Amino acid sequence: SAVISQKPSRDICQRGTSLTIQCQVDSQVTMMFWYRQQPGQSLTLIATANQGSEATYESGFVIDKFPISRPNLTFSTLTVSNMSPEDSSIYLCSVEEGDTQYFGPGTRLTVL
Amino acid sequence: QQQVKQSPQSLIVQKGGISIINCAYENTAFDYFPWYQQFPGKGPALLIAIRPDVSEKKEGRFTISFNKSAKQFSLHIMDSQPGDSATYFCAASNPSGTYKYIFGTGTRLKVLA
Repeated sequence: SAVISQKPSRDICQRGTSLTIQCQVDSQVTMMFWYRQQPGQSLTLIATANQGSEATYESGFVIDKFPISRPNLTFSTLTVSNMSPEDSSIYLCSVEEGDTQYFGPGTRLTVL
Repeated sequence: QQQVKQSPQSLIVQKGGISIINCAYENTAFDYFPWYQQFPGKGPALLIAIRPDVSEKKEGRFTISFNKSAKQFSLHIMDSQPGDSATYFCAASNPSGTYKYIFGTGTRLKVLA
């Protein structure tokens, strides 16, 4: 399976600032996904990112708040903009291989 | 129709016992059912997955039982060990179609030594 890394692994940010999370995969993949996992909760899909096209956002998530880049088949970024304490979560990227999604280690974000 | 209901929310099992986690879905278009294991501070890791053309799949101490008519599937962990203490998520998807992964709410398992 693909090996996925994320940077940063964790961060503490001030309200109103933005944070960009990087996701790197060791192989070329068509579809990458960004999830949010709030404390003690399940995984919620934010958006699907395909290389060469605009990301597709799920209901409740908008591009202005969570802009995504997908410059090539091994890399993607998710920016959490104008952060508030409600954005404190674990952010996970995943890739699809066959029918299975594989997840990165996550970025733990705390917004003060 | 897009929900996957998972139970119990938490589970405490003695070492050597059997842990059972249940999931139910509504959308019959789902045709791929993975289970993920997540340790604190880590991303979810694929544990085992099943398709509806079989009723059971076993990998080591982990078994998925699938009941297509009832639209239910469950994870059984035999001979549970303290190292199995983690949060388990079921999911359902339709990879060849338009349905993305829908995750259950998670089960926090604690295996007592």
